[in-house]
Amino acid sequence: TQLLEQSPQFLSIQEGENLTVYCNSSSVFSSLQWYRQEPGEGPVLLVTVVTGGEVKKLKRLTFQFGDARKDSSLHITAAQPGDTGLYLCAGEADRGSTLGRLYFGRGTQLTVWP
Amino acid sequence: KAGVTQTPRYLIKTRGQQVTLSCSPISGHRSVSWYQQTPGQGLQFLFEYFSETQRNKGNFPGRFSGRQFSNSRSEMNVSTLELGDSALYLCASSTAAGRIYEQYFGPGTRLTVT
Repeated sequence: TQLLEQSPQFLSIQEGENLTVYCNSSSVFSSLQWYRQEPGEGPVLLVTVVTGGEVKKLKRLTFQFGDARKDSSLHITAAQPGDTGLYLCAGEADRGSTLGRLYFGRGTQLTVWP
Repeated sequence: KAGVTQTPRYLIKTRGQQVTLSCSPISGHRSVSWYQQTPGQGLQFLFEYFSETQRNKGNFPGRFSGRQFSNSRSEMNVSTLELGDSALYLCASSTAAGRIYEQYFGPGTRLTVT
């Protein structure tokens, strides 16, 4: 059973389109990270959100942490082929019980066609 | 600052053999986590070491073991390899200090068991 559920699992879109990826859980997280992974490489940290309701922007990428700190979304505006990759969300649970542990979703594989 | 390095990058082994993978964390990072990544299961947590002590452990059989040295470098060992152990093994390091726990990944070791 995955603690974090990501949707959709696969997304194939044309360049210029907008998209949103979701990361949901029934658990509360003290922080949540988003990573992007390209084939044959390790995941690269994109952003960390900490406060419920927090919104962070990274160029065309907008990340939001849910008010209850149980879910998050990643919105990409005007997607480009360079955005292609596996997007992973990871949550840090309550430190008292699982110090030093991130829980990962299965990821969303995004393909942007020129 | 140099990133996380993993050696070797690629490895081919035969069923029944054992293998040792190495990870050098970012300078100053005291926490090292190991993950197994396969297309079907996503990122599966193996274990986490902090200051030479295993602090967290995932649900993997005892054939998977690890250790951390005083310089924070870590090794992971898999004994009696099975075909299902073929995967990308990722190492991630963290300062594990402060309020937020962020991990920085290495490029991974691609293990193929034949």
